[in-house]
Amino acid sequence: DIVMTQSPDSLAVSLGERATINCKSSQSLLYSSDNKNYLSWYRQKPGQPPELLIYWASTRESGVPDRFSGSGSGTDFSLIISSLQAEDVAVYYCQQHYSTPFTFGQGTRLEIK
Amino acid sequence: QVYLVESGGGVVQPGRSLRLSCVGSEFTFRAYGMHWVRQAPGKGLEWVAVISSDGSKTSYVDSVKGRFTISRDNSKSTVYLQMDSLRPEDTAVYYCSKGARGATDYWGQGTLVTVSS
Repeated sequence: DIVMTQSPDSLAVSLGERATINCKSSQSLLYSSDNKNYLSWYRQKPGQPPELLIYWASTRESGVPDRFSGSGSGTDFSLIISSLQAEDVAVYYCQQHYSTPFTFGQGTRLEIK
Repeated sequence: QVYLVESGGGVVQPGRSLRLSCVGSEFTFRAYGMHWVRQAPGKGLEWVAVISSDGSKTSYVDSVKGRFTISRDNSKSTVYLQMDSLRPEDTAVYYCSKGARGATDYWGQGTLVTVSS
């Protein structure tokens, strides 16, 4: 199974500042047939289901604010929130869809400093 | 707007069975793979199972293999999770989600399963 490891486990950032969450996979998520990384990012606000932010490592889902961006390839990926808003307080997860089981990272709790 | 509505959760004794259902609407249900993901109280997300759009292929996390069965009825726009031989560690909110673009783009609100004597 592919192991997904996020860092840090928790993060406190001031409003308007930048937040970066990292995700490392135990094997490459780059699918050679289509040159896409099968890595997605989700935000889960308290008491709500997760919502998709980023897929294929760097493609923003429709309707997601442009302060969210994703980067990386192979085994190392990042989610960047360029200017933190109050509604971004949540737990963030990465997930791989390269091979089953489609494992998640352990989550990163993002709070306001 | 896509809708996914789960049902069938509840309190069940260890060793018993439960069947979850998830009805999808406002999208072409038969065209998409469907997933079940669970979240134990206060814990992170755990992917449980996936079924292909036509139901011919399924896959499971090891911890539920041989106990859980995912299936679908495209005529009813419904995906199911049959859960047998339930254990206390299966206690969680179970979400169904729609697969697309190498991710899961829509999620239901979840249904709580509690396994306890």
